[in-house]
Amino acid sequence: NAGVTQTPKFQVLKTGQSMTLQCAQDMNHNSMYWYRQDPGMGLRLIYYSASEGTTDKGEVPNGYNVSRLNKREFSLRLESAAPSQTSVYFCASSEPVTAPLIWFFGPGTRLTVL
Amino acid sequence: AQKITQTQPGMFVQEKEAVTLDCTYDTSDPSYGLFWYKQPSSGEMIFLIYQGSYDQQNATEGRYSLNFQKARKSANLVISASQLGDSAMYFCAMRERAAGNKLTFGGGTRVLVKP
Repeated sequence: NAGVTQTPKFQVLKTGQSMTLQCAQDMNHNSMYWYRQDPGMGLRLIYYSASEGTTDKGEVPNGYNVSRLNKREFSLRLESAAPSQTSVYFCASSEPVTAPLIWFFGPGTRLTVL
Repeated sequence: AQKITQTQPGMFVQEKEAVTLDCTYDTSDPSYGLFWYKQPSSGEMIFLIYQGSYDQQNATEGRYSLNFQKARKSANLVISASQLGDSAMYFCAMRERAAGNKLTFGGGTRVLVKP
């Protein structure tokens, strides 16, 4: 039972390059989320997927796209990376029908855009 | 307006002493939940404790307790008998049912435990 896994762990991009961050969970959760964490700050929601087949914007969606591939997997794509997207990216999952509602986080992807 | 406010950017605490981390929140949703997460230097987010808006008693989990004052909209984390391994960033977070159960985080408090 791996929980929430993310790949890659580290990535360096040049401005304008594209990449996809992968996330998978094995807890059969319906909801999945992508957050970013800038240095010394809290996490901010980029996009989320309340259930398979649905995605919605969060607080900071500009410059990103997402795909909920199936119930297990939720990917985050940067089409044209910018230095402002240098951050640590966390994927999380939760199951809205359980009580209490707990979010489980992946280990994070540290992205640097030069 | 900030949904979650943590006013203490950093704190020192002596080993074996208790420490209180402040968190205030802003919501008009009657159904919400409050969370505390720990982020050590390794970077992972570790769930510590949860308090639901309808819970009558303050939540406790081992050395962690949540001082929930609903009327004041505060949800302070108390860590008793601090250990060196408690040195980390601590984040308060809230989910609101009316907002689609998204989790919103505060800016965090860095705790350093001194031996």
